[in-house]
Amino acid sequence: NAGVTQTPKFQVLKTGQSMTLQCAQDMNHEYMSWYRQDPGMGLRLIHYSVGAGITDQGEVPNGYNVSRSTTEDFPLRLLSAAPSQTSVYFCASSYSWSYNEQFFGPGTRLTVL
Amino acid sequence: DQQVKQNSPSLSVQEGRISILNCDYTNSMFDYFLWYKKYPAEGPTFLISISSIKDKNEDGRFTVFLNKSAKHLSLHIVPSQPGDSAVYFCAANGANSKLTFGKGITLSVRP
Repeated sequence: NAGVTQTPKFQVLKTGQSMTLQCAQDMNHEYMSWYRQDPGMGLRLIHYSVGAGITDQGEVPNGYNVSRSTTEDFPLRLLSAAPSQTSVYFCASSYSWSYNEQFFGPGTRLTVL
Repeated sequence: DQQVKQNSPSLSVQEGRISILNCDYTNSMFDYFLWYKKYPAEGPTFLISISSIKDKNEDGRFTVFLNKSAKHLSLHIVPSQPGDSAVYFCAANGANSKLTFGKGITLSVRP
């Protein structure tokens, strides 16, 4: 099993550009989520999904869009990148939405100029 | 308002000694707690968890203690090893299925 994979590993954008961060898991997990990690801030939840076709907002959803058309994939879209979105982004998945440890991908380091 | 707090940003311990990492929470609806370990340039990895119906959970060198009345949990690593040097995140889960993380603590284990 590859576990949770994320692409790209690094990305530099200009303000106003859009892009999609890819996330895939091969563990047949129902629950997937996106976090951002900023210095001194820990991990903050952006969006999450409890199954295909179902998504909901986390703590910091503004400026991001998600969809879940399959169990395996959970892409994160930046609609119009801003410097405040410079961060490291982690995708995670777990077997169920509760009482289960989440498995994290290796992260995408995004810089917005 | 920060619901999960790791008030010490760093901890330095001698190899072979005990490392104690602390975490406090404010939301009484949290009923499941987890510790994650993170190395630089990698994603966090699950370390150990504890349900609110227990006060202790042990896995090898790692033990987590939960004091519900004080809304406090701690991770004990005995004996500490240089490979344990990493950032440790405390996280809490409640009925809304969202994990809330603390800011993390950087553990350095000196050889």
